Amino acid sequence: QKEVEQDPGPLSVPEGAIVSLNCTYSNSAFQYFMWYRQYSRKGPELLMYTYSSGNKEDGRFTAQVDKSSKYISLFIRDSQPSDSATYLCAMSSNTGNQFYFGTGTSLTVIP
Amino acid sequence: EAGVVQSPRYKIIEKKQPVAFWCNPISGHNTLYWYRQNLGQGPELLIRYENEEAVDDSQLPKDRFSAERLKGVDSTLKIQPAELGDSAVYLCASEDRGRTDTQYFGPGTRLTVL
Repeated sequence: QKEVEQDPGPLSVPEGAIVSLNCTYSNSAFQYFMWYRQYSRKGPELLMYTYSSGNKEDGRFTAQVDKSSKYISLFIRDSQPSDSATYLCAMSSNTGNQFYFGTGTSLTVIP
Repeated sequence: EAGVVQSPRYKIIEKKQPVAFWCNPISGHNTLYWYRQNLGQGPELLIRYENEEAVDDSQLPKDRFSAERLKGVDSTLKIQPAELGDSAVYLCASEDRGRTDTQYFGPGTRLTVL
């Protein structure tokens, strides 16, 4: 079993839709949870960073962590064509420890 | 603030040839990572440096891969000899541990082995 599971998609939504991206994990020691956005032929770019459980909001993006269910989510409100990219979840057990990445979900927002 | 710089951006070589990738991390970032990303997959850690010391190289295929980080700044990742299965994107990331606790990635080097 992989440390982190993520549905690869692809996911296609109309502009303005609410997008929900999810990851599950198996290691209960994970405490740091990240979402990265990766455009084609670019390196991953950090979107959201959350420690432990709870919600974090930044503009149109909301990250949720449910440690009891070992489940994290990223919500994108009012999605835009510029949000079209691959979204990677990542997590680690402690600062400086190895990051474990999901496989990424490919998102296309149609104008 | 300049980001993580990698070169070359693209490299095409024939199998059994050597290849090297270079990374310049964000200024002041003491931690440096090399990842390999296959198509449709997330990045997989190859090696992590704290300053000039390799503190986690357990997933580096040491028979053909080597890395160095002289003076704790720039780093080079080498493959010799390259195999067909080495075709992937090689990503470098850096982190200022204790201040940001997260990694910033470069654009990657896309390697194609023919």
